[in-house]
Amino acid sequence: DAGITQSPRHKVTETGTPVTLRCHQTENHRYMYWYRQDPGHGLRLIHYSYGVKDTDKGEVSDGYSVSRSKTEDFLLTLESATSSQTSVYFCAISDTGVFGEQYFGPGTRLTVT
Amino acid sequence: GQQVMQIPQYQHVQEGEDFTTYCNSSTTLSNIQWYKQRPGGHPVFLIQLVKSGEVKKQKRLTFQFGEAKKNSSLHITATQTTDVGTYFCAGPLIQGAQKLVFGQGTRLTINP
Repeated sequence: DAGITQSPRHKVTETGTPVTLRCHQTENHRYMYWYRQDPGHGLRLIHYSYGVKDTDKGEVSDGYSVSRSKTEDFLLTLESATSSQTSVYFCAISDTGVFGEQYFGPGTRLTVT
Repeated sequence: GQQVMQIPQYQHVQEGEDFTTYCNSSTTLSNIQWYKQRPGGHPVFLIQLVKSGEVKKQKRLTFQFGEAKKNSSLHITATQTTDVGTYFCAGPLIQGAQKLVFGQGTRLTINP
């Protein structure tokens, strides 16, 4: 397995609170991605990064922000969590962008009550 | 909007039966990837197809990329219980953007 970890692995939080999820890689891959997975929707891209301080939006970016100050870390922040953001969040990394394999982290299960 | 559609959403088979999932894109793809996710796990890359009409095999799995590069299929011959999981296709729908769009996935369950 590629060296990619996510923290926390599980989190329960209340509506309106800020939440930050962390993705950490040891592979020195250029590209990093945040997805959310919900039943019936597959994997939907939230934000991605193509380098330090370089990020772009995905298809479901509203309510989320990201930061990448180091190659190895990609943070996903929910500014004010809502129940609709209850989901499983996966981080993925890639050395070749869309022209090669994406390696996924173990996922974070987030519940917003 | 631009989409990747995958059918069926669910498939239940008897062990030993064949299984096929289909993926269709609204636009021509430069490449298509397939991933497998075991229950409770994370998606794992299976293969990438790049050429029009390409066919690749991995043991009992056969992957095809359509001539127009807008559709793809994954066929599993003689399913085994280890094939249980959800299979996703994914493709880069936007030229120049380094992001994939995933299909909704096909969840395969198997009766032993």
